[in-house]
Amino acid sequence: DVVMTQSPLSLPVTLGQPASISCRSSQSLAYNDGNTYLNWFQQRPGQSPRRLIYKVSDRDSGVPDRFSGSGSGTDFTLKISRVEAEDVGVYYCMQGTHWPYTFGQGTKLEIK
Amino acid sequence: QVQLVESGGGVVQPGRSLRLSCAASGFIFSAYDMHWVRQAPGKGLEWVAVVPFDETDKYYTDSVKGRFTISRDNSKNTLYLQMNNLRPEDTAVYYCAKDGAMTFDVWGQGTMVTVSS
Repeated sequence: DVVMTQSPLSLPVTLGQPASISCRSSQSLAYNDGNTYLNWFQQRPGQSPRRLIYKVSDRDSGVPDRFSGSGSGTDFTLKISRVEAEDVGVYYCMQGTHWPYTFGQGTKLEIK
Repeated sequence: QVQLVESGGGVVQPGRSLRLSCAASGFIFSAYDMHWVRQAPGKGLEWVAVVPFDETDKYYTDSVKGRFTISRDNSKNTLYLQMNNLRPEDTAVYYCAKDGAMTFDVWGQGTMVTVSS
């Protein structure tokens, strides 16, 4: 199975400041159709996960543009340009290129 | 709107069985693969099982093979997870999730399963 490794696992951030989460995969996530199936999910406290980003950098409908995804191959990043209070929660990367789908361990974002 | 609503969770003794259901609405259920994903208390997300739209080639994570069975009833827009011979390590919130082409694009609210004597 593809191993997804996130860092950091804990991310204290001051309101209004940027935040960045790294996700690395044990194999390239480039698929033979030209796409890279790397997703980012947000899980707010007490809620179910919600997809933010798919195919590395495509934002889901309703996701604020302060969230952005980038990367290629085995190295990916989720960036929040200016953290707001509603961004508190755990963020997971997930790959869908190789079967079975696998998740990173999660990064807990908290307000400093 | 697109919605998934799980039910059937509860407290059960080790070795016993439980069946989870997930009612889907707002999309053509019969056209999509469907998954179960679980989250142990305080832990991360773990994919459990998938059933294709036509119920062929079901797949399971190794730890539940031979004990769990995923199925669906497209006439009722409902996904199921039959869980037999439950173990304490199966304790988790179980989410159903819609497959969106190599991703999970819709999640339910989850149902809690606690396996304890």
